Amino acid sequence: DAGVTQSPTHLIKTRGQQVTLRCSPISGHKSVSWYQQVLGQGPQFIFQYYEKEERGRGNFPDRFSARQFPNYSSELNVNALLLGDSALYLCASRAPGQEDEKLFFGSGTQLSVL
Amino acid sequence: EDQVTQSPEALRLQEGESSSLNCSYTVSGLRGLFWYRQDPGKGPEFLFTLYSAGEEKEKERLKATLTKKESFLHITAPKPEDSATYLCAVQGGSQGNLIFGKGTKLSVKP
Repeated sequence: DAGVTQSPTHLIKTRGQQVTLRCSPISGHKSVSWYQQVLGQGPQFIFQYYEKEERGRGNFPDRFSARQFPNYSSELNVNALLLGDSALYLCASRAPGQEDEKLFFGSGTQLSVL
Repeated sequence: EDQVTQSPEALRLQEGESSSLNCSYTVSGLRGLFWYRQDPGKGPEFLFTLYSAGEEKEKERLKATLTKKESFLHITAPKPEDSATYLCAVQGGSQGNLIFGKGTKLSVKP
């Protein structure tokens, strides 16, 4: 079975631009979370979606937004990019009926903002 | 504020040299403490979940333990393929997301 897939794998943008990152969860998983990982740091929570509804949001500015589609795939959008947005963006899914946060992560999208 | 601190930041071991990684945490209402392994250029890979003080879990050369304030990841007779960054995370009672530490980068030399 395919794991969590993310696209693109790498992306280079300039300050002020907008970016859209995509994620497909493991088949049958309905919950998707997004995390930002800056080099040398642990992942930091951005959003959680379940059944197309936002279930949680981390301490990120309104420039960050996300949505989940009927097939449970998800997009993360970041507007007005800043140099500090350069990071590895991770998507993770959770199995149905799993009450704790045992997450399955994709390999991430490496975003570089110049 | 919920917080996770991992030590050491980096650890170099010779193959076969056992050691432990530490994760100290403060959280209101622990729902779970998680250990993940992360290889360069990859996303974290789930290893263990611990739910209550005194609990232990093992997988191959790894053993995770939990007290009320910290968790240890014991590595017995490590091999070079155990080289990775090991991340600790907690899930608190008031939220559904994970709070991660900065990780411990483990290097095992043959």
